[in-house]
Amino acid sequence: GESVGLHLPTLSVQEGDNSIINCAYSNSASDYFIWYKQESGKGPQFIIDIRSNMDKRQGQRVTVLLNKTVKHLSLQIAATQPGDSAVYFCAEKTGNTGKLIFGQGTTLQVKP
Amino acid sequence: GAVVSQHPSWVICKSGTSVKIECRSLDFQATTMFWYRQFPKQSLMLMATSNEGSKATYEQGVEKDKFLINHASLTLSTLTVTSAHPEDSSFYICSARDYRARHYGYTFGSGTRLTVV
Repeated sequence: GESVGLHLPTLSVQEGDNSIINCAYSNSASDYFIWYKQESGKGPQFIIDIRSNMDKRQGQRVTVLLNKTVKHLSLQIAATQPGDSAVYFCAEKTGNTGKLIFGQGTTLQVKP
Repeated sequence: GAVVSQHPSWVICKSGTSVKIECRSLDFQATTMFWYRQFPKQSLMLMATSNEGSKATYEQGVEKDKFLINHASLTLSTLTVTSAHPEDSSFYICSARDYRARHYGYTFGSGTRLTVV
């Protein structure tokens, strides 16, 4: 199967600070990207998405940036809260089948 | 919004037995479903793409005879782990596409924790 079988890196931030989570994707032909939040023992939860014809998209407290030149995606969370503590994954839609391939993931820890 | 129900949420089985996991789209029809497995502190690994009425497409390295996928209706896909062994212990997650949705409609189930003893 496809994925990166490495242990997840951790980002630790203070409550109220902004968080930036980065992701490198693999396929230059991918045309759609999603950020997911996963809490322990649960399935992934949609946060925000972006199509490949855009370089920035904003939601409520979250912003996704896409740099196709270097195949890099980032998720910015403003005013990080304890409830934001979770594992965050980027995913890229690739191929005609529309399958989603997940990136490595980052554990976000918010300190009160 | 779209809801995907996955059952059971956890299961413990003896080595050598088979286990079936169900994935249902509750309020939409899903011609395509995806199965993932996730080991502790790792990412989701795509196992296979399940297509209604046809054979599943397996990712490289995934044993199709061990992980049997059936997608007999537009709302149900099943994953059967045959002759399970302790190394098959993992978190299995399904995803279904709701083509009506704005964001390509990927909706995930809540996952199944499989423990083989």
